[in-house]
Amino acid sequence: DSGVTQTPKHLITATGQRVTLRCSPRSGDLSVYWYQQSLDQGLQFLIQYYNGEERAKGNILERFSAQQFPDLHSELNLSSLELGDSALYFCASSVGPRETQYFGPGTRLLVL
Amino acid sequence: QQQVKQSPQSLIVQKGGISIINCAYENTAFDYFPWYQQFPGKGPALLIAIRPDVSEKKEGRFTISFNKSAKQFSLHIMDSQPGDSATYFCAASKGNAGKSTFGDGTTLTVKP
Repeated sequence: DSGVTQTPKHLITATGQRVTLRCSPRSGDLSVYWYQQSLDQGLQFLIQYYNGEERAKGNILERFSAQQFPDLHSELNLSSLELGDSALYFCASSVGPRETQYFGPGTRLLVL
Repeated sequence: QQQVKQSPQSLIVQKGGISIINCAYENTAFDYFPWYQQFPGKGPALLIAIRPDVSEKKEGRFTISFNKSAKQFSLHIMDSQPGDSATYFCAASKGNAGKSTFGDGTTLTVKP
């Protein structure tokens, strides 16, 4: 157990809908990262927050947004969902922006 | 344009053998090269990482070899065990360790 928690574990929704994925980092970790893992795209870095501020941005679609709250938990919002958004979404956390990342168990999203 | 190419896609090794997974990168600005291990249903976990100022790093049965001039790095698993059966990802990043580019993964099966 990495100490990073993600909810929900599974999510099934329809195209066009909006969902929110939640991540609680390990105690003491200030950095949160979001990744998307799909069969055809592998593991893709989406976005990183450090102590509430956006630190780095990867291949994140405009339909996706994220934020990190004062209590350091983070949410990833996915809107106007498409079939191709079906994937595993991982959150990771680290103490600082360059430290070892610890991954959560992931949220499996299925868009029908 | 894929910046990190990983091979092989799958690998079968006998118990006690050596597993070798290779990665090649294109961006010479990359300065952090981690390897992750992922078991089914779990998030990736950092296995070992190297920075380009060293050519080799060893942790237990796991060794990273790094060739800066060839822009290649590899993971060697000595005395492979069935418990090592997992998917392995190489990654590369520059500056901020969060914005990592991942290889497509190698599924390792160690036969007893």
